[in-house]
Amino acid sequence: GENVEQHPSTLSVQEGDSAVIKCTYSDSASNYFPWYKQELGKRPQLIIDIRSNVGEKKDQRIAVTLNKTAKHFSLHITETQPEDSAVYFCAASSTDSWGKFQFGAGTQVVVTP
Amino acid sequence: EPEVTQTPSHQVTQMGQEVILRCVPISNHLYFYWYRQILGQKVEFLVSFYNNEISEKSEIFDDQFSVERPDGSNFTLKIRSTKLEDSAMYFCASTGFLTGELFFGEGSRLTVL
Repeated sequence: GENVEQHPSTLSVQEGDSAVIKCTYSDSASNYFPWYKQELGKRPQLIIDIRSNVGEKKDQRIAVTLNKTAKHFSLHITETQPEDSAVYFCAASSTDSWGKFQFGAGTQVVVTP
Repeated sequence: EPEVTQTPSHQVTQMGQEVILRCVPISNHLYFYWYRQILGQKVEFLVSFYNNEISEKSEIFDDQFSVERPDGSNFTLKIRSTKLEDSAMYFCASTGFLTGELFFGEGSRLTVL
């Protein structure tokens, strides 16, 4: 089955700096890669996703890149703000098994003013 | 904005007791999921449900677990005889269509003593 590894487990950045979180996956059948943000005590919320027919996707300060050959994908947050502090989870799934996400272990991002 | 709601937010139970966790998915959604997250660990897929049937289940979802959609709005997860290792946060999720965004509830924390 699919196995998703996520690094780093914690990331501390100064406000205004960039943050990068990296994930690798094992199953070449995976073709959908969402990123979720979870604030303390709240539900995971989708912030961006990418499908395997695309190499990069951007939404304002957030971007995701995908390298299918190497089986890794990354989340990039630019100009970080204190409200970006949260746990970020990557996940991988196949459209043949929609919703059966394999999640990474999560990255605790702390943005210090 | 429509939300997935879950009850209870926290349940404490004795080992061996039955527990039912309840979810109200977003009203026009058709695909339903349960995930769990043991403290400090990954979010793990348990089961997906569509058209009143289980679509897929993980190895975690053994005979002690069952899901049901007893009426047009609720989606429940039952654990027949709880074990200490069932202590976790349980998340319900739903989506309106295959390949659509998964919307998560805020979770039900289960503590088994």
